[in-house]
Amino acid sequence: DVKVTQSSRYLVKRTGEKVFLECVQDMDHENMFWYRQDPGLGLRLIYFSYDVKMKEKGDIPEGYSVSREKKERFSLILESASTNQTSMYLCASRLTGGRGYTFGSGTRLTVV
Amino acid sequence: TQLLEQSPQFLSIQEGENLTVYCNSSSVFSSLQWYRQEPGEGPVLLVTVVTGGEVKKLKRLTFQFGDARKDSSLHITAAQTGDTGLYLCAGDRGTGNQFYFGTGTSLTVIP
Repeated sequence: DVKVTQSSRYLVKRTGEKVFLECVQDMDHENMFWYRQDPGLGLRLIYFSYDVKMKEKGDIPEGYSVSREKKERFSLILESASTNQTSMYLCASRLTGGRGYTFGSGTRLTVV
Repeated sequence: TQLLEQSPQFLSIQEGENLTVYCNSSSVFSSLQWYRQEPGEGPVLLVTVVTGGEVKKLKRLTFQFGDARKDSSLHITAAQTGDTGLYLCAGDRGTGNQFYFGTGTSLTVIP
């Protein structure tokens, strides 16, 4: 069963901490994405990557960075966590030309 | 500004009723997907529609892509409690690798 795995379901971090969210997919997809999901705002794209070591900014990249050293792994980094980054973070992957995303189960991050 | 607007935002109905959810845009999409997301989980792809006017059925769910490929609808017949969840539409503008998501419709089916 193909899937996208996010390393943590729930995280609680303190303001100012550096936070790493990990995502691994086993489908050999070229494209990987990080979204955040907030009530009333829907899914907003933070960053995406279409190949190893390649990254593109999405709609809300400020305060975030990403790393893609291997095809199967895409990491989201919060350089200095702030309370307004409390959210549900969703990782997704997609085959180029494919018809839809495969999502992970999400990481609910709370910054206190 | 959302590229895709969904309505209604919230919907609460009795089991057995029918319902329709709408996804509208002023932009043209090469394809459009519908996802369902259950609480605490990631969205799961239900269907992709590609051709203007296309209708796809998935058991009691009927999906339609508008003729101009700017809008879509999801109709559920005889809703069941298992249909409860957040329904999201997402469009592919064909200009890159990302999809654009609607704000979602939260459906609650009451037994």
